Amino acid sequence: AQTVTQSQPEMSVQEAETVTLSCTYDTSESDYYLFWYKQPPSRQMILVIRQEAYKQQNATENRFSVNFQKAAKSFSLKISDSQLGDAAMYFCAYSNYGGSQGNLIFGKGTKLSVKP
Amino acid sequence: DTEVTQTPKHLVMGMTNKKSLKCEQHMGHRAMYWYKQKAKKPPELMFVYSYEKLSINESVPSRFSPECPNSSLLNLHLHALQPEDSALYLCASSQVSGGRYEQYFGPGTRLTVT
Repeated sequence: AQTVTQSQPEMSVQEAETVTLSCTYDTSESDYYLFWYKQPPSRQMILVIRQEAYKQQNATENRFSVNFQKAAKSFSLKISDSQLGDAAMYFCAYSNYGGSQGNLIFGKGTKLSVKP
Repeated sequence: DTEVTQTPKHLVMGMTNKKSLKCEQHMGHRAMYWYKQKAKKPPELMFVYSYEKLSINESVPSRFSPECPNSSLLNLHLHALQPEDSALYLCASSQVSGGRYEQYFGPGTRLTVT
């Protein structure tokens, strides 16, 4: 069975600084997808960034980038120039769409606080 | 447009009530999901409709029953719920296109069972 582990229950960053959230996963599949979702207190789950396992190039979306290490099964999220609006719960998620119905397997989440 | 809509936003119901949660997407996605999320926990999958085929998380009690009237709509019928069923219920839809896989969530329905 696939599992996703986020080892940092809480993180804090100063506004305008950079922070990295960690995620590891376990799977025996070769094709899969990885995601970071953001959930503010307003509760909407927002897709931040996605990574296809077959792509070697790390995904980037504006201030958000990932460090995808397939052999190490590691998928960390780097947030640059942190803003107050980045404060939220961040979930790392895995999906093996080809072999299942595409449901997401989530880590337990990392609560990010941004200090002004 | 990556919008998934859910109604109602909030629902309070007694243990003897029957109610329904609704979810809609117009992105042409062929898979839709119901997740349950307790406070400070990640979402847990309840049901998947993928190409009109239903898959069930076997741990979900029968007092929850999904319905997929068409590929854009997903309902969750609630009957005789328990207080421990109080949670945020999230709907999502997904697609694979050109090797890219995406899953988008609705804003959720906050359910309180009294």
